[in-house]
Amino acid sequence: DAGITQSPRHKVTETGTPVTLRCHQTENHRYMYWYRQDPGHGLRLIHYSYGVKDTDKGEVSDGYSVSRSKTEDFLLTLESATSSQTSVYFCATGTSGRSDTQYFGPGTRLTVL
Amino acid sequence: QQQVKQSPQSLIVQKGGISIINCAYENTAFDYFPWYQQFPGKGPALLIAIRPDVSEKKEGRFTISFNKSAKQFSLHIMDSQPGDSATYFCAAMDSNYQLIWGAGTKLIIKP
Repeated sequence: DAGITQSPRHKVTETGTPVTLRCHQTENHRYMYWYRQDPGHGLRLIHYSYGVKDTDKGEVSDGYSVSRSKTEDFLLTLESATSSQTSVYFCATGTSGRSDTQYFGPGTRLTVL
Repeated sequence: QQQVKQSPQSLIVQKGGISIINCAYENTAFDYFPWYQQFPGKGPALLIAIRPDVSEKKEGRFTISFNKSAKQFSLHIMDSQPGDSATYFCAAMDSNYQLIWGAGTKLIIKP
């Protein structure tokens, strides 16, 4: 995950506040993904992007929005954080959407009180 | 059904033994099956992957066995080592090119 960074790495926030997580890649990969990881659920796709300004919803997109204005940056926003959004969030990248290796960042641990 | 069922949840194996993790799926449209390895505090990393046109793929000590008719696939780790202690996830790619993930197996290799 040397070419993928996530910020912040840890965040504690209160219910109802907006939160933005950032993913930055230096790999020039076209595809970027946001997942959340919760015990007993594995990873679940929130949103993904297949190019600058091209995004689509994943399995658990409610309460989240994303933006990608540059190839290297993919932002995940929780408009009004809830306790159910306490999780570890992973960003991943890939060169193509099809049968492709996904490369993961180190994760962001978010706690919503 | 957009689910991948993974078992067991946790597994303890003696050093040098064989670790086996199983996954099952229902959706016959799934056509790419990767296994990822995750160490504590890190993101998952691709370990090995298989397509449904082959029944087995081996890379070093790691082997995927794939049974298309049973809709099951498994990861075998031969000569398991303490450095293999990690959480393992199976996944399957659907027709929208999205990965559907199993819940994970925490593997501990006892020295």
